Amino acid sequence: EPEVTQTPSHQVTQMGQEVILRCVPISNHLYFYWYRQILGQKVEFLVSFYNNEISEKSEIFDDQFSVERPDGSNFTLKIRSTKLEDSAMYFCASKGSGGPTGELFFGEGSRLTVL
Amino acid sequence: GEDVEQSLFLSVREGDSSVINCTYTDSSSTYLYWYKQEPGAGLQLLTYIFSNMDMKQDQRLTVLLNKKDKHLSLRIADTQTGDSAIYFCAESWDYGGATNKLIFGTGTLLAVQP
Repeated sequence: EPEVTQTPSHQVTQMGQEVILRCVPISNHLYFYWYRQILGQKVEFLVSFYNNEISEKSEIFDDQFSVERPDGSNFTLKIRSTKLEDSAMYFCASKGSGGPTGELFFGEGSRLTVL
Repeated sequence: GEDVEQSLFLSVREGDSSVINCTYTDSSSTYLYWYKQEPGAGLQLLTYIFSNMDMKQDQRLTVLLNKKDKHLSLRIADTQTGDSAIYFCAESWDYGGATNKLIFGTGTLLAVQP
């Protein structure tokens, strides 16, 4: 069964360092997302990406964050200068079709710990 | 603003029915979803319901929507130990955009006792 894969599964970094989280969405999908879940809190929308550009982003997704689809298969989330409060589980997701009924497939998540 | 709330924990015995509840604040929500998260895994879509429906049944799962009270529930019949997981309620809107972002609840941890 096709699946969304994420790497690394866990990354520990020092505050102020740059981090890149990688995702390989399902191959024929067109819509890509990043969500995050701070421990004990809700899963929060960060950003959506379609047609090689950001289609929507949340207030959380400030200038420290960026996304890229560099090669047609990977979808990356970069945090330029990590803060303690960026520690969270980051989920990548992809969808094959637009509209709210297309099933959103999630990866297993990348846990980021900022020290 | 958009907000989705769930109770944090539910414990049931194997074979019993489980009912997980969710309340949401945005009455313009178009779709409401239930996701399941097993330990170490991503979120898996279980089912969704369109806002003009009251009920949807899918095998052991029954979703009830009370739009007046903004209340959504997920009933799992004949609950099994494999159903132990965190269950997330989520809402979305059909505004014609490409995004259809989801707003998630806090998640309910379902513990099934043998």
